[in-house]
Amino acid sequence: EADIYQTPRYLVIGTGKKITLECSQTMGHDKMYWYQQDPGMELHLIHYSYGVNSTEKGDLSSESTVSRIRTEHFPLTLESARPSHTSQYLCASNPSWGGTEAFFGQGTRLTVV
Amino acid sequence: GENVEQHPSTLSVQEGDSAVIKCTYSDSASNYFPWYKQELGKRPQLIIDIRSNVGEKKDQRIAVTLNKTAKHFSLHITETQPEDSAVYFCAASRDMDSSYKLIFGSGTRLLVRP
Repeated sequence: EADIYQTPRYLVIGTGKKITLECSQTMGHDKMYWYQQDPGMELHLIHYSYGVNSTEKGDLSSESTVSRIRTEHFPLTLESARPSHTSQYLCASNPSWGGTEAFFGQGTRLTVV
Repeated sequence: GENVEQHPSTLSVQEGDSAVIKCTYSDSASNYFPWYKQELGKRPQLIIDIRSNVGEKKDQRIAVTLNKTAKHFSLHITETQPEDSAVYFCAASRDMDSSYKLIFGSGTRLLVRP
């Protein structure tokens, strides 16, 4: 089934650890996004990609990095997690042409202790 | 940079009343305006969208209006029900632009009181 998948759904990790949040979509979308969102609050764009090998930082400064080596895959990496990184991370995608509805993943709730 | 402003940030209405959420965009080239609903603990999902060649669109109890001259668009929910309680996000984008990203408003928390 065409969808956008995020793993893990929940992650509790110690300070200083390196983590990678996975995001994959099977819809062939060119555009992919990472948002940071505290419960019920604003969607803060932290990374954006409009195609393979293209990445841009979003409006909210983030210590995370992303890569886009394949169209369907857009992982986010934190080299050294801190308690201030505790939040929900949402991945989204939408096509470039012929309709721009964005689809969101289920999210990863990250807690850094 | 381009931005979308959304008001109000919170809205409380009595069941059966109407709710209106307003957004203003800055990029005059924007031509696609979707609205997303995010229920508690769930991901945002598209509920309605409108393109710049249309002034109004309806889907049952939900309608969206667009004023291109003033660069603002609104979501109207009539006969509100408790299940309408959620956070609503507006967004703006340029359809058919391969490098333009979707820009979201800051969200409106709607509470429908039974």
